[in-house]
Amino acid sequence: NAGVTQTPKFQVLKTGQSMTLQCAQDMNHNSMYWYRQDPGMGLRLIYYSASEGTTDKGEVPNGYNVSRLNKREFSLRLESAAPSQTSVYFCASSDYLRLTDTQYFGPGTRLTVL
Amino acid sequence: KNEVEQSPQNLTAQEGEFITINCSYSVGISALHWLQQHPGGGIVSLFMLSSGKKKHGRLIATINIQEKHSSLHITASHPRDSAVYICAVLSGGSNYKLTFGKGTLLTVNP
Repeated sequence: NAGVTQTPKFQVLKTGQSMTLQCAQDMNHNSMYWYRQDPGMGLRLIYYSASEGTTDKGEVPNGYNVSRLNKREFSLRLESAAPSQTSVYFCASSDYLRLTDTQYFGPGTRLTVL
Repeated sequence: KNEVEQSPQNLTAQEGEFITINCSYSVGISALHWLQQHPGGGIVSLFMLSSGKKKHGRLIATINIQEKHSSLHITASHPRDSAVYICAVLSGGSNYKLTFGKGTLLTVNP
């Protein structure tokens, strides 16, 4: 099992460009999450999907959209990238949206917006 | 003030030393997680606690709900324990909110 995979690993964008970060899990988990990690700050939740077909905003959703394509895949889209979106993005999944459940993290995508 | 405070921010130890990392939080919680992030970025969940104490190998995590405090201990530390250790809490309310501390960078020298 690969666990949680993310593509791409690195990306450089110019301000105003769009892109989609892909995430997939092979653990048959119901819940999936997108976080961003910035220097000097903790991980912050962008969006989450409690189950296939549902998505909800987290702490910092502005400038992002998500799609839960199926049970395995959860993508994060930046429609018009801004330098403030320079960050490392982590996807995670868990069995259910019970926060006592262990979350499994992907390797991260390092995004730079110039 | 952050809802989750970790101390110390940085910690350097010699191999074999006993390590303690602290996490204090200011809100009522349902659960607390300890995570490990290695250089290169991978994040692994170590423990989930809602009360008491858990042990896994050389790692021990404790929580005191009344004092709003948790500690992560590493016994007989090893250079491979070098990583960032992150505390995360689920605060109360109807909305999903997992709040992360900024992390403690641990360096264990041989």
